[in-house]
Amino acid sequence: GENVEQHPSTLSVQEGDSAVIKCTYSDSASNYFPWYKQELGKGPQLIIDIRSNVGEKKDQRIAVTLNKTAKHFSLHITETQPEDSAVYFCAATDFGSGTYKYIFGTGTRLKVLA
Amino acid sequence: DADVTQTPRNRITKTGKRIMLECSQTKGHDRMYWYRQDPGLGLRLIYYSFDVKDINKGEISDGYSVSRQAQAKFSLSLESAIPNQTALYFCATSDSSGIPLGAYNEQFFGPGTRLTVL
Repeated sequence: GENVEQHPSTLSVQEGDSAVIKCTYSDSASNYFPWYKQELGKGPQLIIDIRSNVGEKKDQRIAVTLNKTAKHFSLHITETQPEDSAVYFCAATDFGSGTYKYIFGTGTRLKVLA
Repeated sequence: DADVTQTPRNRITKTGKRIMLECSQTKGHDRMYWYRQDPGLGLRLIYYSFDVKDINKGEISDGYSVSRQAQAKFSLSLESAIPNQTALYFCATSDSSGIPLGAYNEQFFGPGTRLTVL
């Protein structure tokens, strides 16, 4: 079945450095790729997303890139801050067929060291 | 006030007991979902509902059932809990209004219910 692989599972960076999390999806019909951030004791929250007709999207310190040919998409966080410490999930979806598909990656625990 | 609420937030129960987890939302969304989160496995879909009369199985529905009592309420039941159902459970909602054939949409998650089955 369809799946989304996410790497690394844990990532530690020094405050101010950049962090990159990578995901690979298997379903070529996927057309929407959101990223969610889960803080301790809370539910995941959308932080950025990208559609299949766009190669890159940026929102302040976070950006997402998509390579449809390779079926890769990545989250980039620049100038990391302690409040960026959380678990990050990628996901891939395809609603074009009328059937619900929303596959999450396994998550990356990001630790920003002060 | 939270838009998506889950009750209880924590529950410890014994093997064989029937458990119900409840989810309510004030966002006015038509779609609701139940996910299970396990360490190293991410979020896995248990059941989803696109409307009050619509119930669909997700990736891991065995051992679970759901009820969509109203647009704002979606409950998850474990008829006979077993230890490997120990996990963090999340309810989520999304809004399909104005989107053809359910295109891109954000999911809004509740705070989660931590369930322990002894």
